[in-house]
Amino acid sequence: EAQVTQNPRYLITVTGKKLTVTCSQNMNHEYMSWYRQDPGLGLRQIYYSMNVEVTDKGDVPEGYKVSRKEKRNFPLILESPSPNQTSLYFCASSNGDTIYFGEGSWLTVV
Amino acid sequence: TQLLEQSPQFLSIQEGENLTVYCNSSSVFSSLQWYRQEPGEGPVLLVTVVTGGEVKKLKRLTFQFGDARKDSSLHVTAAQPGDTGLYLCADQTGANNLFFGTGTRLTVIP
Repeated sequence: EAQVTQNPRYLITVTGKKLTVTCSQNMNHEYMSWYRQDPGLGLRQIYYSMNVEVTDKGDVPEGYKVSRKEKRNFPLILESPSPNQTSLYFCASSNGDTIYFGEGSWLTVV
Repeated sequence: TQLLEQSPQFLSIQEGENLTVYCNSSSVFSSLQWYRQEPGEGPVLLVTVVTGGEVKKLKRLTFQFGDARKDSSLHVTAAQPGDTGLYLCADQTGANNLFFGTGTRLTVIP
C-alpha cells in the first residue's frame, strides 16, 4: 500500500528543546515536502526536496531545517522550537503528478 | 504574491441539498487542484484541471475551471454526510509545490 508515514503523530514539547519529525514514503518518489496547517492560513509549504541531497525553501522556512540523505526519508528538524511553531504538520511526496500527504503531526510548543 | 480566496469559509447543509463552493485567484493558475481533507487526515486529491473552461465530473461532484483560468467552482449534487470535510483548492506551481487556499469547511447534516 502506498504510504507517507510521519512520526510522531502527536507531541507536546517545551520551548528550545530540539525535535525531529520523521517522514518516510514507500513509493520511490523523488519529490518530498513539508507543510504546516494553521487556522485561517491554510497549508503553507515549509521546505521541499527534488531529490537526494537537493532541498529548497518553501514559503515559511524560518525556524526549520530538513535533510534528504536517502530517497525515502525527509525529516523536519526544529532546532529551537518556539510557541509560534505550534501547528499541524504534513509531509508529502510526489511522482511529479499526484502529491500524496501523510496523516499529519500535531505539534504543541509550550 | 498570489492570493487564493475560497468561499464560503463555512457551509452547513441538510443531506440531499445541492451546494457550490468557489475558489478565486489573484493570478492565473498553473494547474488547479481540488482536495478534500477529513479530520485527522491529510488532504486527498480529488481532481486536477489545467485548461480554461474545463469541466470535470467525479460522481456527484462537478468541477468547473473559468475561461480565464483564475477561478473555479465545485458543485456537489445531493450532498451526503460522507461529503463532510474541508475542501481546498490549490495551485500546483511545480512538481512538488502547492499553494493552497484557506478552504471551505462543509458539514452535511443527516
